[in-house]
Amino acid sequence: EAQVTQNPRYLITVTGKKLTVTCSQNMNHEYMSWYRQDPGLGLRQIYYSMNVEVTDKGDVPEGYKVSRKEKRNFPLILESPSPNQTSLYFCASWSGTGYNEQFFGPGTRLTVL
Amino acid sequence: QKEVEQDPGPLSVPEGAIVSLNCTYSNSAFQYFMWYRQYSRKGPELLMYTYSSGNKEDGRFTAQVDKSSKYISLFIRDSQPSDSATYLCAMMPYNTDKLIFGTGTRLQVFP
Repeated sequence: EAQVTQNPRYLITVTGKKLTVTCSQNMNHEYMSWYRQDPGLGLRQIYYSMNVEVTDKGDVPEGYKVSRKEKRNFPLILESPSPNQTSLYFCASWSGTGYNEQFFGPGTRLTVL
Repeated sequence: QKEVEQDPGPLSVPEGAIVSLNCTYSNSAFQYFMWYRQYSRKGPELLMYTYSSGNKEDGRFTAQVDKSSKYISLFIRDSQPSDSATYLCAMMPYNTDKLIFGTGTRLQVFP
């Protein structure tokens, strides 16, 4: 089954404690992206990757890091989480430039105390 | 001003009603227009996709794009309780990979 998986699905942590949210896709897609979803603000892109070792900032990259060492994986790293990073996070993948359907993971609900 | 504006709702309708969901946008470079459906506690899933202007129909769903007015719509005929979800419009300029989302409209269809 074609899918994007994320782990963990729920996470409660404290300010400053480094964390990683994993994302993996099994569709051999070149492109992957991380979004955060907040009430009244919709989905906003954090970072995206066009292929292995190629990443670029989205609209809200501050406080986040990403890496793309393998095609299937695109982890999101919060080196020093803060309460304003409490949000619902989605990973997505798609196959190429121009319009292609983006497939979304199930989401990770992060709370930073 | 946001690039994409969408009324957050909630929109509550009886089963069988025709639902109209809308988005306006400001960037004339948008060429690809999409509607995603998001059920509670799930990721968005693509519902309809339209390139440039015009209409597209898929079963009970019709997507319309009016580029002259910078206005897109999604119509749901014979709405069902299973259509209860948040509907997100999304747009992409030609020759980029950047998808811009509206904030989503929450729809509730009651029996």
